[in-house]
Amino acid sequence: AQSVAQPEDQVNVAEGNPLTVKCTYSVSGNPYLFWYVQYPNRGLQFLLKYITGDNLVKGSYGFEAEFNKSQTSFHLKKPSALVSDSALYFCAVSPLSGSARQLTFGSGTQLTVLP
Amino acid sequence: SAVISQKPSRDICQRGTSLTIQCQVDSQVTMMFWYRQQPGQSLTLIATANQGSEATYESGFVIDKFPISRPNLTFSTLTVSNMSPEDSSIYLCSVHSGGTEAFFGQGTRLTVV
Repeated sequence: AQSVAQPEDQVNVAEGNPLTVKCTYSVSGNPYLFWYVQYPNRGLQFLLKYITGDNLVKGSYGFEAEFNKSQTSFHLKKPSALVSDSALYFCAVSPLSGSARQLTFGSGTQLTVLP
Repeated sequence: SAVISQKPSRDICQRGTSLTIQCQVDSQVTMMFWYRQQPGQSLTLIATANQGSEATYESGFVIDKFPISRPNLTFSTLTVSNMSPEDSSIYLCSVHSGGTEAFFGQGTRLTVV
């Protein structure tokens, strides 16, 4: 069975500072890894994904994430946070094999960027 | 990418009644997924809906409580039956379109009173 852990329920960062939202995963074989963002009263929006290749992936709104196979981590990062980045962030995993592409989500991390 | 229109966006319902949520996709997709997001919680997969066959339900979810229709490759409905306050959640439909990432509707925020 696959699982995702987001160890921090809440992350606060000052505007302009770098931010990191942590994610670790467990899956049999190689994973697909994703980050999604949820703004209040909205559905989930796709930010970025790791499938294969370069461990550092870049996504929407200046976000990036680093895949670390030895640590089974996929932390989300941004060099300079904006107040508008404040939202709920979900890490998700699905197995590389299989056609269902069923996602398993982490518990979510509420990011608050302080002006 | 895929554009998903989900409605209603929100509703307040009396306990014991049922609500049907609609999900329309702008392209044909093989599978559609229904998720539940309880207050302050993550997303939990309810079922996978294939066109032309019965939906596949995850552990803890049953067809009598959450019947699903999938009449064609662009549309699906999820019904929340005999509702109780514990069913108050956000319900989201999702598809994979072309690539590996999932796309989500804007969600239906259900409050049962």
